[in-house]
Order: sequence, then C-alpha cells, then structure tokens
Amino acid sequence: AQTVTQSQPEMSVQEAETVTLSCTYDTSESNYYLFWYKQPPSRQMILVIRQEAYKQQNATENRFSVNFQKAAKSFSLKISDSQLGDTAMYFCAFIPMYSGGGADGLTFGKGTHLIIQP
Amino acid sequence: SAVISQKPSRDICQRGTSLTIQCQVDSQVTMMFWYRQQPGQSLTLIATANQGSEATYESGFVIDKFPISRPNLTFSTLTVSNMSPEDSSIYLCSVPAASGPAQFFGPGTRLTVL
Repeated sequence: AQTVTQSQPEMSVQEAETVTLSCTYDTSESNYYLFWYKQPPSRQMILVIRQEAYKQQNATENRFSVNFQKAAKSFSLKISDSQLGDTAMYFCAFIPMYSGGGADGLTFGKGTHLIIQP
Repeated sequence: SAVISQKPSRDICQRGTSLTIQCQVDSQVTMMFWYRQQPGQSLTLIATANQGSEATYESGFVIDKFPISRPNLTFSTLTVSNMSPEDSSIYLCSVPAASGPAQFFGPGTRLTVL
C-alpha cells in the first residue's frame, strides 16, 4: 500500500509571489505516476500537472512546475506568479504504473489550502 | 478530457433514508470510480465500478451500505443506504483519461444528513 503526505495544511502568499507546496509519498513500487489536483470552492477536481516516475525531467505546465526527487520520494509543486484564481485546495496523488490501464483508484494526500492574498 | 455530470449536485436527507447519485460520462469508459470526501478531508476511494461485473470495494466500504450499479459504459449510480450524519460528505465519480493514468472527476454531490 502507498501513502501520500502533505505536511502543510494551509499556506498564504501575496499575489504574484511564488509558492511551493510539499508532498512526500511512500511506496514499494519502482514505477508510478504522481499528480497534483486543484479543488477550488466550486469543489470541481482539476488536474494541474502529472509526473511519470521513470522520467528524470521535471514536468512543467505554464506557471506550474514540479520538483520530483525519486530517491527522497518527494514531489513538490511550485506555482509562479501566483494569481487570485489559484486559491484552492491542492491535493497530491499517486497511482502505480501497472495501473496504466486505469484499473486502480488514486491515493490522495490530505491537501494544502492555498490562499492567494490580493 | 471527458465531460462528467452528476445528479443531484446537492441534497439534504433525513437519517435512515437512502440517496442514489448518478454519474454520466460523455464517452464510453471501462472503469468508473466513486470517491468520498468527508468535510475538510481528502478523497477516499469507495469502489471501482466495471461494466458487466460486480463493483470492487475498498477496505471499510461494503456493498450493503454503498450499492453501485453500472448498467452501461457511460453511466453509474452510487446509493448511500440507511444514512446517518456521518455519511455527510461530497461524493465524486471519476473516469480514467483516454490515454494515461490520470483521472477526470465529476463536479461532486454534496450530501448533508440530518
């Protein structure tokens, strides 16, 4: 079984600042996928970014990037030039690679509530 | 990404009653997942619904409490039976992406049990 830990229940930054959300995980699997999901007050879960464990290059999507450290089992999310619309709960999630066909559910961390102040 | 709808979007129910939540997808998918998000908490997988077979339940969830139907490749229902206030949660369905392991989620059903 795998576990995902997010140690920051809440973070608050000023608009336009850069913020980093932390995530660590524990697994015996060698190949897996990691995700960050965003859940705004509308409660819709939105996929922000994904990372394949076999790729050394960190994933980037516009203002969002990750720092993936496989040996340390760490997967942090960096949000650059933060915007008011980034205010949301952010969840780190894990799925083993053998589930590439979509047979397994995601394992989620407890989430970080990110507040962007104007 | 798939377009997923859920009905109802929210409901307030009395203790001891049951509620059936519907999940509709705009494309055919083999697997559908049901998650529960208790107030202020993360998402926990309830069960995996595969068309044409019995749903597979995670530890701590049983079919008598959360019966699931999967009549075709675009639709599933989750029933929350004999509800108690502890069942007050957001219930979300999800489907795998067409390519890769990511999942896309419905908008959720907010259930309050009095």
